[in-house]
Amino acid sequence: AQSVTQLGSHVSVSEGALVLLRCNYSSSVPPYLFWYVQYPNQGLQLLLKYTSAATLVKGINGFEAEFKKSETSFHLTKPSAHMSDAAEYFCAVSPPSGNTPLVFGKGTRLSVIA
Amino acid sequence: GAGVSQSPRYKVAKRGQDVALRCDPISGHVSLFWYQQALGQGPEFLTYFQNEAQLDKSGLPSDRFFAERPEGSVSTLKIQRTQQEDSAVYLCASSLAGDQQYFGPGTRLTVT
Repeated sequence: AQSVTQLGSHVSVSEGALVLLRCNYSSSVPPYLFWYVQYPNQGLQLLLKYTSAATLVKGINGFEAEFKKSETSFHLTKPSAHMSDAAEYFCAVSPPSGNTPLVFGKGTRLSVIA
Repeated sequence: GAGVSQSPRYKVAKRGQDVALRCDPISGHVSLFWYQQALGQGPEFLTYFQNEAQLDKSGLPSDRFFAERPEGSVSTLKIQRTQQEDSAVYLCASSLAGDQQYFGPGTRLTVT
């Protein structure tokens, strides 16, 4: 079975500061990993995905994540936070075959302080 | 083209009522997924279709939940005899074979 743990249900950063959202996964097979963002009353939007190619993955809006197999981690970072980054972020895992259900973490709410 | 759409966006039901939630996937997308997102939680898988075939319904919480996709396009999630614990946002996602999942805006169900 696969699972995802997101450390910190709420993270608060100042505008312009580094954003670091943590995600650790558990999987018996090499996984696919995803980060999604959810704005209030909206669906999930894909930020980036790891599908066994490059371990450093760049996504939209300046976000990136690094797959570290030894640490079973896939942390999301952004060098400089913008007010518009305030949202809920979800890490998800799936088997490496596509077209399979995603297993999500509980989410981390990011607040950006002016 | 248009994204995944869901209707209604909001639904209030009295306990014991039946509800039907609709999902219109992106045209041509083979796979369709339903997820349930409780308040303050991440989405949890309910069921999955490939074309009209329901390949996995292991996430449906009880036999009051039923999903169909009769022509391999639009899908309906039906909940019979709704209970308060059914209150959640129901998300639909669609994908091409092996591609990412594209999510709709969700239907927020409140059972009173």
